[in-house]
Amino acid sequence: QLVQSGPEVTIPGASVRISCRASGLSLPRHFIHAVRQSPGQGLEWMGIIDPSVGGTNTHFAPSFQGRVSLTWDPSTATVFLDLPALQSEDTAIYYCARSLGDTSDDAPDIWGQGTVVTVSS
Amino acid sequence: DLQLTQSPSFLSASVGDRVTITCRASQVFARHLAWYQQRPGEAPRLLIYDASTLHSGVPSRFSGSESGTEFTLTISGLQPEDFATYYCLHLYDYPYAFGQGTKLEIK
Repeated sequence: QLVQSGPEVTIPGASVRISCRASGLSLPRHFIHAVRQSPGQGLEWMGIIDPSVGGTNTHFAPSFQGRVSLTWDPSTATVFLDLPALQSEDTAIYYCARSLGDTSDDAPDIWGQGTVVTVSS
Repeated sequence: DLQLTQSPSFLSASVGDRVTITCRASQVFARHLAWYQQRPGEAPRLLIYDASTLHSGVPSRFSGSESGTEFTLTISGLQPEDFATYYCLHLYDYPYAFGQGTKLEIK
C-alpha cells in the first residue's frame, strides 16, 4: 500500500510537503502520480514522477507547472509533493498513486489514503 | 492537449439495470484510457485499464470498450455497491487528464 502523511491545516502563503511511502511494495520501478480533489469536485491530474531515474523525470499539468514539485528520496523510498505558497483554493485532498506497470502510460492502480490540506486564514 | 468529455454527469438507475458511461476524446488515440470508481470518503479504485482490460479483482459485470474517439464503461446488472462516482483517465500524452466524472445514483 501507499502511506501518505497526515492532514495539514495551514494559512495562505504557507508551504506544505506531503510524503508518499511504499509499504510492502516496490516504488522505484513504477511511476507515481499526484492527483488533487477539491471539496465536492472531481479528480484533477497534477503530475507524475519516475523514481527509476533518480526522480529527475517529472511532468505536470499546465495549471500546476511551476507551482508544485515532485521529488524522490531513494534512501527512504518516499515521494514528496511540495505545495508552496498555498491559497484557499488549494484546499483539497491530495492523492499519490502508483502505476500498474513500469511505463508512464500504465494506469495508476495503488492509491494512497489521501492527505487533506486545509488552507484558511 | 488531449481533452476528455465525460457523460452523463449524473445517472439514476436501479439495482439490476445496465448502464453506460462515455468519455469522448478530442482526438483519436488508442488504448491508453482507464476507468475508476470512487465511493464517498474513499480513494479511487481502478476498474478498467487499456480501455478494455478488467483489473484484477474487479467483478466481470464491469466492461470497457473503445470506438474511434469514444470510450465506454458498461456496468451490467447494477449492484448496490456500484452506486458511486466514475471517472475516466487518459494516459495518451502529457498532460494526462481525468474526465469530469459521472455520479451514479439509486433511482
